[in-house]
Amino acid sequence: QKEVEQDPGPLSVPEGAIVSLNCTYSNSAFQYFMWYRQYSRKGPELLMYTYSSGNKEDGRFTAQVDKSSKYISLFIRDSQPSDSATYLCAMMPNFNKFYFGSGTKLNVKP
Amino acid sequence: DGGITQSPKYLFRKEGQNVTLSCEQNLNHDAMYWYRQDPGQGLRLIYYSQIVNDFQKGDIAEGYSVSREKKESFPLTVTSAQKNPTAFYLCASSISGSNEQFFGPGTRLTVL
Repeated sequence: QKEVEQDPGPLSVPEGAIVSLNCTYSNSAFQYFMWYRQYSRKGPELLMYTYSSGNKEDGRFTAQVDKSSKYISLFIRDSQPSDSATYLCAMMPNFNKFYFGSGTKLNVKP
Repeated sequence: DGGITQSPKYLFRKEGQNVTLSCEQNLNHDAMYWYRQDPGQGLRLIYYSQIVNDFQKGDIAEGYSVSREKKESFPLTVTSAQKNPTAFYLCASSISGSNEQFFGPGTRLTVL
């Protein structure tokens, strides 16, 4: 079983839709949770990070962590074609090693 | 401009040849990482280094080697022992104790 599971998609939505991206994990020691965005043929860039359970909002993006269910989500409101990318979740038990999901490819149609 | 650079962007290699991928950062980060990305498998850690002259194997180190002689540089050598080297290779760096890794643009290696 992988440490981090993520649906690869692709996920296709119309412009303006609310997008929900999710990851599940098995290691209860994970404390830090990140979402990276990766455009085609580019390196990933950090979008958001959260520590422990709860919600964090940044503009159109909301990151949610439910440690009791070992489940994290990224919500994108009013999605735009420029949001089309692969979204990778990542998590850490400490500041030593990152564990990445396989990435979900999102396509926002104009 | 501060950042992390990788070269070359595209690399072609014949079977049986070793090849070295370059990674340089001017962010003054202590930690550096090498990942391999394959379709549907996400990022898999090859090697990482928390400090100069020290590095540790990641999850898929077999067939790869690294060196960390300078803080700014962390080159990765893909040896002929790596059975399936065609992939997208990403280098990253971070401040020790930080939860943010900064990634380079990647090198796409194709073995012919």
